[in-house]
Parts: sequence; structure tokens; C-alpha cells
Amino acid sequence: QSALTQPASVSGSPGQSITISCTGTSSDVGGYNYVSWYQQHPGKAPKLMIYDVSNRPSGVSNRFSGSKSGNTASLTISGLQAEDEADYYCSSYTSSSTLHVVFGGGTKLTVL
Amino acid sequence: QVQLVESGGGVVQPGGSLRLSCAASGFTFSSYGMHWVRQAPGKGLEWVAFIRYDGSNKYYADSVKGRFTISRDNSKNTLYLQMNSLRAEDTAVYYCAKDKLRYSSSYDAFDIWGQGTMVTVSS
Repeated sequence: QSALTQPASVSGSPGQSITISCTGTSSDVGGYNYVSWYQQHPGKAPKLMIYDVSNRPSGVSNRFSGSKSGNTASLTISGLQAEDEADYYCSSYTSSSTLHVVFGGGTKLTVL
Repeated sequence: QVQLVESGGGVVQPGGSLRLSCAASGFTFSSYGMHWVRQAPGKGLEWVAFIRYDGSNKYYADSVKGRFTISRDNSKNTLYLQMNSLRAEDTAVYYCAKDKLRYSSSYDAFDIWGQGTMVTVSS
């Protein structure tokens, strides 16, 4: 069982927008702004898409945006494109004594 | 360009040992914390360990504490993961990842990832 909770799957049609949620606790998502999102295509290494809740690294499309409210962070992808189909993982710093970094279980995005 | 290249994976028997390496290039390795992250076949990502930029602080996931040791050689721009007492549940692709924040003692984000190296624990 992952420390952060994500939906197992989401889907959308090309051009639409989707949002993936990531729910944690006050010891991780709710307590710190070190929330990040990663995109992973099959057989490839993950790629950083959003860091510090809402910042995009250089080279990442502005169709990707992040936000946070309380213990839940969200990734929104607007103007869905076929190449967005991938697994998406959220991650957060945690003050838990047993862990330093926690991941969500991952969300499979299908572009219909 | 900025790059991380892992090596050292393979097949090992339960109870055995393996040492993974991660060669860094294209950035000032000695200025950044580094992590190991693993992914079991068909499963999600799991953070394994972190080492501070100067090697002074190390953190481990409970699942590997006491069995795995993270280390680094800043003169060789290389990160290591010594894995002892390996179990079947350690079977995974192991990624090294660079922390985004310079001189950090903690976690910000994984901004650069290696291609991964597969570790299979099986008799």
C-alpha cells in the first residue's frame, strides 16, 4: 500500500483536460511544498513534470500544471495529446520517521 | 549533457550481495544529494535511499534499512548502492536520481534519472 493515494486510472479524449489527484497527510503533502509529479512511458525512466507543487522544469509543456489544497495535490493536463498517455506518479517529502520520500501508487492515463 | 548511467545489476541468489554504481556527468556531482529509487516489475516507484551532497547524511526506506548502504565518491562522480542479504522482494529496476536542490540535506524533486539497472533475486 502506497503512502500517497492516486486513482489507478483516468482517461480523456484528445483536446480535453484531466486532473489526477494525490492525497496524503499533514506529514507529507499537507505539510510541505515538496510535491512533485513524474511521467513514465513503458520501459522508460520517469521524467520530472512538476516540482514544488506547481513549478514546471524547463522544456515541459505548459499544458501541465500542478496545485495543492490541504492534504491533496493535483496534476492537470490540458489539451490532451496522444503522447500524454503514460503512467503518472506523485511524490512528496515526508517527516515520517520511517521514510524520507513517499510516492503515490501511480495513475495510468489513457488518451481515448 | 547531464547524464546518469547505472551499472551492476544482474541475477543473484537470495541472501546474496550486489553493488550498483551510478556514473554522473554533465553537472557538479559533489553539489547535489542523490537518491536510489526502485520499481518492481509491473509495480510503482519506491524510494530506497538518499545521500547528502557531501556524504554526511544518509536515509533509508524501512524495507532496506540494515541491508543496503548508499555511498558516493565525489572524486569519481559516482554513486553506489551496496545491497546485502537480498530477498526476492528486492527484485526491481533500480534507478539513481539526482535531487533538484543544490546543497540540499533533504528531498526536493528528482530532476535527472538514469536509465535503470535490473536486479533479479532468484534461486
